[in-house]
Amino acid sequence: DQQVKQNSPSLSVQEGRISILNCDYTNSMFDYFLWYKKYPAEGPTFLISISSIKDKNEDGRFTVFLNKSAKHLSLHIVPSQPGDSAVYFCAAGVKGAGSYQLTFGKGTKLSVIP
Amino acid sequence: EAQVTQNPRYLITVTGKKLTVTCSQNMNHEYMSWYRQDPGLGLRQIYYSMNVEVTDKGDVPEGYKVSRKEKRNFPLILESPSPNQTSLYFCASSLVWGEKLFFGSGTQLSVL
Repeated sequence: DQQVKQNSPSLSVQEGRISILNCDYTNSMFDYFLWYKKYPAEGPTFLISISSIKDKNEDGRFTVFLNKSAKHLSLHIVPSQPGDSAVYFCAAGVKGAGSYQLTFGKGTKLSVIP
Repeated sequence: EAQVTQNPRYLITVTGKKLTVTCSQNMNHEYMSWYRQDPGLGLRQIYYSMNVEVTDKGDVPEGYKVSRKEKRNFPLILESPSPNQTSLYFCASSLVWGEKLFFGSGTQLSVL
């Protein structure tokens, strides 16, 4: 059972426009969420995170929104730049004791067209 | 420079020949983990370690072993590799559980 789902394998966006990457989860125990970016031949790098007590977190051009009732989060990149072209992974975990696993989605490949 | 170092970057082996992929971090992190990445399946956790001598299974532990004798090292051991273990492997660490993970550059393993 896939607990973290990224239903769009790929997304193309024009440079300067907004990129919106979506992620859905099924496990209501998840209480913190992260986005990672991955370039080819490199390991994933941390981008931004959000705790379940918040519904929005911003860091420069990147904003993550969390809708707990819908079990949905999204990553907004504004404005999109060619260097943002990468695979983006959504991940979720439980910060409380007893579960120390981070579950990743399958990833969405973002292409930003100059 | 703070980093997670995996070796080797590329490895081709044959079925049944024991191998070890090393992972070392220089950030004094307590939490370490191994993932494999396969096309269409994303990143799946193999094993993790909360601290020295404390390890536990992730989602896909079959066919793998780990050890955590020192804080900085977390090797992944394949006692008898099989072709279905051909994958891209990542080691990761974080200061403690719940903090952001730092990933190594990956090890591409091919088992013939």
